Amino acid sequence: EPEVTQTPSHQVTQMGQEVILRCVPISNHLYFYWYRQILGQKVEFLVSFYNNEISEKSEIFDDQFSVERPDGSNFTLKIRSTKLEDSAMYFCASSVPDRRTYEQYFGPGTRLTVT
Amino acid sequence: KNEVEQSPQNLTAQEGEFITINCSYSVGISALHWLQQHPGGGIVSLFMLSSGKKKHGRLIATINIQEKHSSLHITASHPRDSAVYICAVPYSGAGSYQLTFGKGTKLSVIP
Repeated sequence: EPEVTQTPSHQVTQMGQEVILRCVPISNHLYFYWYRQILGQKVEFLVSFYNNEISEKSEIFDDQFSVERPDGSNFTLKIRSTKLEDSAMYFCASSVPDRRTYEQYFGPGTRLTVT
Repeated sequence: KNEVEQSPQNLTAQEGEFITINCSYSVGISALHWLQQHPGGGIVSLFMLSSGKKKHGRLIATINIQEKHSSLHITASHPRDSAVYICAVPYSGAGSYQLTFGKGTKLSVIP
């Protein structure tokens, strides 16, 4: 069964460093998402991506975040200058939306630790 | 933005018990997700439903669109059901695709 994959599973970085989190969505999916979950808190929406551009973003997704689909298969989230509060689990998801169904398939997550 | 409330926050049950987890949301939607998160952190989609009831094995999900309420039931609970169960709805109501999540219900099933 097709699945969303994410790499790395765990990333440790120092404050101020740039990190790139990678996701490979399911191949025929059209919408891509990044969510994050700070330890002990609920999952939060960051950004959605469709047709090679951002379709919606939350207030969390500020100028230090960016997304791109560089090669038609990978979908990346870049954090330019990490802060301690960026430590979280980051989930990628993808979906094939139509009028009635838009079930999202989640990747296993990348645990980002900023020290 | 849609607001999602789940209850209870924590639930401990004896193996075999019937379990109910509730979810309420504030903005009308076209579908609702129930998700399962295991201690390792990964998220698995259990159900997506837009009306009525869906059943998968020992799991049953119901939704009342008019009342903006959904329930997840687990029959004959088992220790392997121990996980966090999360309700998620479209971020800004029907027509939006990204999700907003409840805080989750942590279920522990004791043998």
